[in-house]
Amino acid sequence: DGGITQSPKYLFRKEGQNVTLSCEQNLNHDAMYWYRQDPGQGLRLIYYSQIVNDFQKGDIAEGYSVSREKKESFPLTVTSAQKNPTAFYLCASSDSTGENNSPLHFGNGTRLTVT
Amino acid sequence: AQSVTQPDIHITVSEGASLELRCNYSYGATPYLFWYVQSPGQGLQLLLKYFSGDTLVQGIKGFEAEFKRSQSSFNLRKPSVHWSDAAEYFCAVMDYGNKLVFGAGTILRVKS
Repeated sequence: DGGITQSPKYLFRKEGQNVTLSCEQNLNHDAMYWYRQDPGQGLRLIYYSQIVNDFQKGDIAEGYSVSREKKESFPLTVTSAQKNPTAFYLCASSDSTGENNSPLHFGNGTRLTVT
Repeated sequence: AQSVTQPDIHITVSEGASLELRCNYSYGATPYLFWYVQSPGQGLQLLLKYFSGDTLVQGIKGFEAEFKRSQSSFNLRKPSVHWSDAAEYFCAVMDYGNKLVFGAGTILRVKS
């Protein structure tokens, strides 16, 4: 089955440590996205990538970093510079080279807790 | 930049009753609009989308939405709610660069 896999589902870290969240897709989509979800705030865009080896900052990129070395993978690193990293993180992809403005397909998320 | 407002944080309806979830968006030349649903601890599932054409859009699970340009609205409706519809619903609009801008979400509770 085609889809987006995020791992792990739950992640716990101590403050001051960097942590990397995995996102893999086998949909052959060009574009991938990272969103952060906090209660009552909806989803906010952290980073996105329209093509391999290229990515852009979203609305809340500070304290995060990404890479896009392969089409199917878009890992997100939450650095120690992120002031409030505890949140639910959602990865998504879309076929931006196909139908114009094609919808996003989402993974099941990673809940990160930093103490 | 585009923006989305979902005025209702929580809505409670009785099973079998009709449902309408409100969504207003900021003006765009041609808004591309979406509704997603999220069960607790899960990702988002696309319910329906509007790109152009017929302003009444049918989606999955018996949902529909109506695009009203004059009111900048894209409200989601369902004639008869089932207990399994309890979830959080997000309205979204497409921004430049194929990015989605989401509303804050509406949590739907269904009482039996």
